[in-house]
Amino acid sequence: GDSVTQMEGPVTLSEEAFLTINCTYTATGYPSLFWYVQYPGEGLQLLLKATKADDKGSNKGFEATYRKETTSFHLEKGSVQVSDSAVYFCAYNDMRFGAGTRLTVKP
Amino acid sequence: DAEITQSPRHKITETGRQVTLACHQTWNHNNMFWYRQDLGHGLRLIHYSYGVHDTNKGEVSDGYSVSRSNTEDLPLTLESAASSQTSVYFCASSEQGGADEQFFGPGTRLTVL
Repeated sequence: GDSVTQMEGPVTLSEEAFLTINCTYTATGYPSLFWYVQYPGEGLQLLLKATKADDKGSNKGFEATYRKETTSFHLEKGSVQVSDSAVYFCAYNDMRFGAGTRLTVKP
Repeated sequence: DAEITQSPRHKITETGRQVTLACHQTWNHNNMFWYRQDLGHGLRLIHYSYGVHDTNKGEVSDGYSVSRSNTEDLPLTLESAASSQTSVYFCASSEQGGADEQFFGPGTRLTVL
């Protein structure tokens, strides 16, 4: 069935390091793809999204490109900050979420 | 400002008791969802609704029920609480399906002793 697989964590980086969190999906058709972020003690909130192939979503320095040929939507950021420490979830359409990747950024 | 709220934020109950978690949204969204979040499992869908009087089962619906009598509310009921239902529960809403983002509530931490 349809599913989302994302890179397992936890991921620990130093401030200003480059971040990649991998996400792949299996689905029929062309779903919309999302990255959500969950800060400690809060609910999830949308970070970025892409609704069709080759679309790039971006927000707060994060980017992800919808790659139909590799069924992927990897999250990247060129220089992470301590404030980016959170759990990141890849999702497609509504209702299907990856397991989440915990990111810790150390000063 | 529109929002989505959950109550209570924390609840401790005993095995076998009936528990209801409230979810209220003022976005006037058609779609509402309930998830549970557990370490190692991410977010798992319990039930969802695409409109008033519509409810559907998700992947982990056993032991839970919902009803949708108006647009704003989707209460989640645990008919007979079990220790395996100790979790953090999130409610969410979206305007339509598919391409629309979901807006999440702050969560309810439920402990079943």
